[in-house]
Amino acid sequence: ILNVEQSPQSLHVQEGDSTNFTCSFPSSNFYALHWYRWETAKSPEALFVMTLNGDEKKKGRISATLNTKEGYSYLYIKGSQPEDSATYLCAFSPNTGNQFYFGTGTSLTVIP
Amino acid sequence: AAGVIQSPRHLIKEKRETATLKCYPIPRHDTVYWYQQGPGQDPQFLISFYEKMQSDKGSIPDRFSAQQFSDYHSELNMSSLELGDSALYFCASRRVRTEAFFGQGTRLTVV
Repeated sequence: ILNVEQSPQSLHVQEGDSTNFTCSFPSSNFYALHWYRWETAKSPEALFVMTLNGDEKKKGRISATLNTKEGYSYLYIKGSQPEDSATYLCAFSPNTGNQFYFGTGTSLTVIP
Repeated sequence: AAGVIQSPRHLIKEKRETATLKCYPIPRHDTVYWYQQGPGQDPQFLISFYEKMQSDKGSIPDRFSAQQFSDYHSELNMSSLELGDSALYFCASRRVRTEAFFGQGTRLTVV
């Protein structure tokens, strides 16, 4: 079992604030890093799949960066809105086997 | 495109009863994950299967068991249900080197 850690565990921000959180994963045997947004009572929505060191992906106000050498990915949300409130999960795929290791998630609450 | 199918979508059971939740992965997906999300809570990983074998285990109570069958569908069996088991249960599937896709969830209510 590999450790995929996310921090912080939970986060409360004011509407309009920008925020970011971290996903840490093993730097060896890297294949891919996935980000999901999971709103309460809905299915998780895939945000990004990142495979190359230095990758930057953007979707609207949400962006992510990847550092495979040091084993971390940042997710940024610019100008947070109440509809951004959700749990953000990352998942790590090593290049051996078929394991898919989810992090513990960061629960974001955006206060209007 | 085919998606992950979960059944039933809604289930109401009484305390101490048994429930079985089913997950049908996307065709050719060989891995299934189960998650539980209680009301107002973060999702909790329960258990995963790869090629019909348990591959990882999270915070799954001893009262629950799960398996993956030869056709790759998975069932989560929950016995001696408690009020606290009321939650949304999601499953996800993937095959090697792809992202995971989630089903719509089963809402279990224990009364």
